Amino acid sequence: DADVTQTPRNRITKTGKRIMLECSQTKGHDRMYWYRQDPGLGLRLIYYSFDVKDINKGEISDGYSVSRQAQAKFSLSLESAIPNQTALYFCATSSTGTSFTGELFFGEGSRLTVL
Amino acid sequence: AQSVTQLDSHVSVSEGTPVLLRCNYSSSYSPSLFWYVQHPNKGLQLLLKYTSAATLVKGINGFEAEFKKSETSFHLTKPSAHMSDAAEYFCVVTGSNTGNQFYFGTGTSLTVIP
Repeated sequence: DADVTQTPRNRITKTGKRIMLECSQTKGHDRMYWYRQDPGLGLRLIYYSFDVKDINKGEISDGYSVSRQAQAKFSLSLESAIPNQTALYFCATSSTGTSFTGELFFGEGSRLTVL
Repeated sequence: AQSVTQLDSHVSVSEGTPVLLRCNYSSSYSPSLFWYVQHPNKGLQLLLKYTSAATLVKGINGFEAEFKKSETSFHLTKPSAHMSDAAEYFCVVTGSNTGNQFYFGTGTSLTVIP
């Protein structure tokens, strides 16, 4: 099984619908991230969480919200989806403290299409 | 402020020839730098990382990169391209020693011609 699991892997929805993307990890990492990937723009940070009680906005948080339900789970929500939120979304984790390696561990992505 | 510039959005090489993917960074702190690879329909995987130790860093699958502070560069190289190297490559810099933020380049798509 993958260390970082994202569900759903693919989703097509309509404008105005509420969408939740879920991420779970078995690496035991405190830090979790949500990124968005668009062609030619690389990955842009939406939200990040350093532990269950610490959630921070990234550079493109407008239109998104998150929930850190447990150390292992970090969900991304689009309250009212719009077409320009069509993108590939990645969840990632990283270690911290004495075990920090600087490496991000990625899920395989959730492709969202908003019609 | 931290940022990364990948100088080529697309690189094409013939199988068996050298690969050079260029990355320049801007960082207010001593940076940690990474190269990640993304194969089609997959997540990103770490190729190699520089964290203030040896300036020439070796990674997986024969890739290596050299940290050059005077040139603020961290170019990725491989002596001989293989078909399986065709992928998207991202250069990444961290903003501080604790790695609070990761800043991604816009990516370089590598095509390997048989």
